[in-house]
Amino acid sequence: QVHLQESGPGLVKPSQTLSLTCSVSGGSVSSGANYWTWIRQHPGKGLEWIGYIYYTGSTYYNPSLKSRISISVDTSKNLFSLELSSVTAADTAIYYCARDFNGYHIIDYWGQGTQVTVSS
Amino acid sequence: QSSLTQPASVSGSPGQSITISCTGTGSDIGTYNYVSWYQQHPGRAPKLLLYDVSSRPSGVSNRFSGSKSGNTASLTISGLQAEDEADYFCSSYTTSTTGVFGGGTKLTVL
Repeated sequence: QVHLQESGPGLVKPSQTLSLTCSVSGGSVSSGANYWTWIRQHPGKGLEWIGYIYYTGSTYYNPSLKSRISISVDTSKNLFSLELSSVTAADTAIYYCARDFNGYHIIDYWGQGTQVTVSS
Repeated sequence: QSSLTQPASVSGSPGQSITISCTGTGSDIGTYNYVSWYQQHPGRAPKLLLYDVSSRPSGVSNRFSGSKSGNTASLTISGLQAEDEADYFCSSYTTSTTGVFGGGTKLTVL
């Protein structure tokens, strides 16, 4: 059973960079089959795919966020991370890390999610 | 990228069947069979219900089924139960090598 756990600050000031980490247990980020994904959910709203990373470091991002996103992977620590720069109140959301089964947007394991609020 | 289109809400009585539609474009649902459905209860992370249009992960009830025609995918829940009351999201792979979700449908079991 793969378990994912998000960590990071719950409050970020406007214009700063949001940084989150996802620790993976029960599976390996170096698995050749899986892609490691970030998804967010605005309050009371739907899900938004942010992007994912393959263990080789290849990344794929949501075009609407691409200029502000960076996703990285640390295979030695079995974790991956998200950085979202120049945040505004519109970036307030629950952020989920997750596993994409095969790169075709099939999310079979999810973290519990972490609330991030952008406010001064 | 625009999200997939789902009805905001549907409802049904216990034992009945309901269907939730998910409409995309030729750049996502219309091109690929990589359509997934997720169930989300309040305060919980989403759970994978169906993938590849109609395949069920281990442990998911066969009361959940999926189909696709053209640019529209559908989720059918048969034999509605009170525990099925939740939000349901569809998603699809896209020709841009990205993912897109639907806006979500709130299912109320009357």
